[in-house]
Amino acid sequence: EIVLTQSPATLSLSPGERATLSCRARQGVGTYLAWYQQKPGQAPRLVIYDASNRATGIPARFSGSGSGTDFTLTISSLEPADFAVYYCQQRSDSPSITFGQGTRLEIK
Amino acid sequence: QVQVVESGGGVVQPGRSLRVSCAASGFTFSNYDMHWVRQAPGKGLEWVAVIWYDGTKKYYVDSVMGRFTISRDNSRNTVYLQMNSLRVDDTAMYYCARGAGRALDDWGQGTLVTVSS
Repeated sequence: EIVLTQSPATLSLSPGERATLSCRARQGVGTYLAWYQQKPGQAPRLVIYDASNRATGIPARFSGSGSGTDFTLTISSLEPADFAVYYCQQRSDSPSITFGQGTRLEIK
Repeated sequence: QVQVVESGGGVVQPGRSLRVSCAASGFTFSNYDMHWVRQAPGKGLEWVAVIWYDGTKKYYVDSVMGRFTISRDNSRNTVYLQMNSLRVDDTAMYYCARGAGRALDDWGQGTLVTVSS
């Protein structure tokens, strides 16, 4: 099983600031890395797939980068709606999927 | 538009069984792998199982192998999760999600399963 470690656990920022979230895989996953946003009481929502592709309807302020073991989700200028928990997810060489433990992005 | 709706959750005693369902619409169901993902209260996401678009292959997380069975009925656009020998630590919101490449692109709102005596 490929373990994903997200950092930081909690990120406190203000609207308008830039957010940088990290996800590290214990072994290489190529670019088979996705990011999800989850707000309280809601289902997760796909934000980024294949490391750097925005999902349908996701604003351009969201971007993803990385390959192999180190990945980053960047939100260029935070909007109030962006404060949520973000999970990374991999599905590289097996049918199974693993998620990171999540990063809580909170308003400072 | 794509819609995925789970149902069948509830309160069940440890050791008992429960089947949850996921009805899909708005896309060609038989073309897509379908997944179940769960989230224990206040915790993160845990992938549970996947079934291939044609039902020929199924995979599970180790913690449910031998107890849970995923299945689908493409004529009814529905995927199921049969859960046997339920344990307290199976308590979670169970989400159904559509597979898209290596990601999950559409999720239902979930159905809550509580295992408690």
